[in-house]
Amino acid sequence: SQQGEEDPQALSIQEGENATMNCSYKTSINNLQWYRQNSGRGLVHLILIRSNEREKHSGRLRVTLDTSKKSSSLLITASRAADTASYFCATDARGAQKLVFGQGTRLTINP
Amino acid sequence: NAGVTQTPKFQVLKTGQSMTLQCAQDMNHNSMYWYRQDPGMGLRLIYYSASEGTTDKGEVPNGYNVSRLNKREFSLRLESAAPSQTSVYFCASRVPGYNEQFFGPGTRLTVL
Repeated sequence: SQQGEEDPQALSIQEGENATMNCSYKTSINNLQWYRQNSGRGLVHLILIRSNEREKHSGRLRVTLDTSKKSSSLLITASRAADTASYFCATDARGAQKLVFGQGTRLTINP
Repeated sequence: NAGVTQTPKFQVLKTGQSMTLQCAQDMNHNSMYWYRQDPGMGLRLIYYSASEGTTDKGEVPNGYNVSRLNKREFSLRLESAAPSQTSVYFCASRVPGYNEQFFGPGTRLTVL
């Protein structure tokens, strides 16, 4: 079963607005990662946040992690049409050598 | 440096046919992974190989076999394809100690 549950499943906003996606998980983790998938393509790694970190930034991306609630959020600021894609969270559980992916949020940026 | 490559890009099979999906990486990564992605869903792990010579089952291994031919190559075999195996298959690799996975472009498989 999927450990990551993402919310919302789909999000449509206007260009320039901020987009927020959420991810919840069930077990203890080493880190949580976010990936982007453009239509018909493979996944591309965006950002990683470790279990002892609470917030991380990379360009227009901001990720938060609340291990007490077992949840994370991805914020994309000042969205662009090129940000249209599906976004997946993936958890790297302690003791595992594999990632478990959520079902993803499909983000559409309208020009 | 091609990263992770997969062949073929597309394949149509009839029920009961067999085929092998090929994956290769040129980044000298130790760990490699096979996932399937069904419409509207995330990726589910089929098999993985933490290092050359080892393979382990993931979440959905039934109906599949894998071979870690060498450090570069990790193949996925469907011995007797079923319509339920219609999916997009992704191969990925990563370096131990680093958590990022690098993905191939995918193989879109249809089983009739």
